Amino acid sequence: QKEVEQNSGPLSVPEGAIASLNCTYSDRGSQSFFWYRQYSGKSPELIMSIYSNGDKEDGRFTAQLNKASQYVSLLIRDSQPSDSATYLCASGGGTSYGKLTFGQGTILTVHP
Amino acid sequence: DTGVSQDPRHKITKRGQNVTFRCDPISEHNRLYWYRQTLGQGPEFLTYFQNEAQLEKSRLLSDRFSAERPKGSFSTLEIQRTEQGDSAMYLCASSSRPIPANYGYTFGSGTRLTVV
Repeated sequence: QKEVEQNSGPLSVPEGAIASLNCTYSDRGSQSFFWYRQYSGKSPELIMSIYSNGDKEDGRFTAQLNKASQYVSLLIRDSQPSDSATYLCASGGGTSYGKLTFGQGTILTVHP
Repeated sequence: DTGVSQDPRHKITKRGQNVTFRCDPISEHNRLYWYRQTLGQGPEFLTYFQNEAQLEKSRLLSDRFSAERPKGSFSTLEIQRTEQGDSAMYLCASSSRPIPANYGYTFGSGTRLTVV
């Protein structure tokens, strides 16, 4: 079992819709969770972080964390074609030295 | 402060050759990380430095790989006797926070290695 798993995708949504990206993790010692966006050929870019159960909103992005279910999600409201990218979920904390464990990523396509 | 800098951006090498990549972290960041990302996968942790000390190494880092961070500033990652399976994006990140995993960190632009 992978430590961080994401829904395989690819995910395609129309412009203006809500995109929902999901992630589960296996290490209960994980304390912090991150969403990175990666455009083709570029390095990952940190877009959201969440440490406590519940929702965290930043503009059109909402991250949700449920530690009991070991589940993290990212909602993108009013999706735009520029949101088309691979979204990576990562977990960190616990006893590591700051190592992040990434999922395999979900490809999102927002079509006009 | 222009972020984490990696050099070169792209490297094509023949199988069996040695390659070396460089990472310049954000100034005064004492923590430095190397990751590798293959096509269709998320980044995988390779190694971590705190100042000049290499404190953690992944099992992915075979004996053909070596990383250094002399004087706690820039870091180099060397791959000896490259294999086609080494083809990947090599990413570097740095941080100054005491528990960086609680805050995430920013990656450099990466070095894309292609072994032919």
